[in-house]
Amino acid sequence: QVQLVESGGGLVKPGGSLRLSCAVSGFTFSDYYMSWIRQAPGKGLEWVSYISTTASNIYYAASVKGRFTISRDNAKNSLYLQMNSLRAEDTAIYYCARSEWGIWFDPWGQGTPVTVSS
Amino acid sequence: SYELTPPLSVSVDLGQTATITCGGNNIGSRNVHWYQQKPGQAPVLVIYNDNNRPSGIPERFSGSNSGNTATLTISRAQAADEADYYCQVWDSNTVLFGGGTKLTVL
Repeated sequence: QVQLVESGGGLVKPGGSLRLSCAVSGFTFSDYYMSWIRQAPGKGLEWVSYISTTASNIYYAASVKGRFTISRDNAKNSLYLQMNSLRAEDTAIYYCARSEWGIWFDPWGQGTPVTVSS
Repeated sequence: SYELTPPLSVSVDLGQTATITCGGNNIGSRNVHWYQQKPGQAPVLVIYNDNNRPSGIPERFSGSNSGNTATLTISRAQAADEADYYCQVWDSNTVLFGGGTKLTVL
């Protein structure tokens, strides 16, 4: 059974940092692109970043470029998102998702909430 | 930058056919993917590459894409289909989601 479980979310002050993790099981992690997608409260979906199988290709949304860093550890079947210089507008549920070449996303984890507030 | 323009809401009578559109300039030249999201749950892929259903998605869900409009069609709508639906495309190494359409089953 394919599972993606996010962790690391929480409350952080503006300007602070947070590192999200996504532990996966049930498929060969190293065979797939992976992605982070977020959803602000009451809002729609916003793609954040994706990473190729060997991390040779990495792309970010303009809204997070230069502040967020995506990475993966294929030996640990884990995906990460290092978030620095956090802003109030980064408040959202953050989902990790398996991706077909970065093009579509299936399945998704249950998400981890991030709140940026003083 | 490229934009996707779905309707904010769509309503359908129980057992009838729901049609959710996603507009975009020449969207027919792109591959469109659709997600269903129920309250408090993570999104679920229901259609990929315009008209392909992942395993486990009922045949009642279908998609099409031509010209400036992509369409998600839900036949024989059920109460369980009430959800937000998002269209999505890939564009120059970025990913775009439409703003979402709330489907209400009456």
